[in-house]
Amino acid sequence: TQLLEQSPQFLSIQEGENLTVYCNSSSVFSSLQWYRQEPGEGPVLLVTVVTGGEVKKLKRLTFQFGDARKDSSLHITAAQPGDTGLYLCAGSNNAGNMLTFGGGTRLMVKP
Amino acid sequence: NAGVTQTPKFRILKIGQSMTLQCTQDMNHNYMYWYRQDPGMGLKLIYYSVGAGITDKGEVPNGYNVSRSTTEDFPLRLELAAPSQTSVYFCASQEGQNTEAFFGQGTRLTVV
Repeated sequence: TQLLEQSPQFLSIQEGENLTVYCNSSSVFSSLQWYRQEPGEGPVLLVTVVTGGEVKKLKRLTFQFGDARKDSSLHITAAQPGDTGLYLCAGSNNAGNMLTFGGGTRLMVKP
Repeated sequence: NAGVTQTPKFRILKIGQSMTLQCTQDMNHNYMYWYRQDPGMGLKLIYYSVGAGITDKGEVPNGYNVSRSTTEDFPLRLELAAPSQTSVYFCASQEGQNTEAFFGQGTRLTVV
C-alpha cells in the first residue's frame, strides 16, 4: 500500500491569508492529483501533476510536484471564504492503475 | 451524460444483513474504484478494477467483495454488515492512467 500523508489535517484562517498544504509519501508516484470536496458531494479534480519538479498554477492556487515524485504541495494565495472545503491529494502508483488518497486537509476561511 | 451513478443514496442495515451497492458509468472508462470515507477523513480504497473481468484489493478490502462483468458496472457487495462498515461509499471511474477520476454522489450507509 502506498500511503499519502497530508498536513495539516485542519486549518482555520482569516480571509486574505496565505496557506500551504503538504502531501508526503515514501513511495514514488507516476502522478499526483489534488481534489476538492464539498459536503455531501464527491471530490472534484483541481489539477494533475506528472513530472518531477512540475509547478502548475490555477488562479490563486499553486501546485508543485516534488523532484523525486514522492510529495506535493498546494499553496493558496489570499484565501477567500469560497476556498473553504476538504482538500485531498491522490497518487497513482507506477503502473498507473491504482489511485490512493491522503487523509485530507479541512480548510476553513473566515470572512 | 450521466457520468457515474450510485444507488442507493442512503441505506440503513442491521448487523449481519447483506446488500449490494450499485455503481454504473456511461463514459466507457476502463478504471473503476470503490472508496469509503469516514466523517471528516480522506478516502480509503476498498477495491479497484482496470477492466471487465479484472479486480484487485485496495487498502481495506475485508468484509467486501466486487465483480466487474461489464465495463459499465462495478457493484460492491457487503456480506455480513458490521457497525464498522458505517461510512459514506464513493464509486469513481477513470479513462486511464493519470487522468481525472469522476465520482458518484456517494452512498451513505449506516449499520445498526
